[in-house]
Amino acid sequence: DIQMTQSPPSLSASVGDRVTITCRASQTISTYLNWYQQRPGEAPKLLIYAASFLQSGVSSRFSGSGSGTEFTLTISSLQPEDFAIYYCQQSYRGFTFGPGTKVDVK
Amino acid sequence: QIQLQESGPGLVKPSGTLSLTCAVSGASISNSNWWSWVRQTPGKGLEWIGEVSHSGSTNYNPSLRGRVTISVDKSKNQFSLKLNSVTAADTAVYYCARDFLFDYYYSMDVWGKGTTVTVSS
Repeated sequence: DIQMTQSPPSLSASVGDRVTITCRASQTISTYLNWYQQRPGEAPKLLIYAASFLQSGVSSRFSGSGSGTEFTLTISSLQPEDFAIYYCQQSYRGFTFGPGTKVDVK
Repeated sequence: QIQLQESGPGLVKPSGTLSLTCAVSGASISNSNWWSWVRQTPGKGLEWIGEVSHSGSTNYNPSLRGRVTISVDKSKNQFSLKLNSVTAADTAVYYCARDFLFDYYYSMDVWGKGTTVTVSS
């Protein structure tokens, strides 16, 4: 099984901050890595697919990078609607999600 | 605009079978390759259960293989989940989702709102 980890588990930030979340895979997964946002009471929403491709309709303040085993999600300027939990997901073999990173208000 | 809607009993007895259906609207289930079930618990987070293709092929999470069956009904434009021998550990919010294919890369681009299933006597 491919295991996913994320760091930090949570972070506190202010509107306008640049936020970076890291995701690591237990083995190389090339760029088979997706990022999701989940707000309370809602289903996950796809932000980034194939490590760096922005999903249609998603703000360009979100960006993704990385390959192999280490990946990052960056929010260039945090907006009020971005306070949420962010999950990475590998799609190299089946699907496995990371444990999530909660972004809350500082 | 494609929408997914989960339905099924919200309460299942231990050792029983959990059965859910995902109705697809706004698109034909035959037009997209694969359709997934995902569940979410406070303890284990998001867990992929498995997927079914429009032709009925399946892939399952190895941790659940043997208890899970996912099937497709093209005539009703829906797909279904059955999970046998449930325990309290199967209590979760269950989501259905569409697998989106870009080149060789899969992600889940459309999700249902989710339905809560509780396993309890």
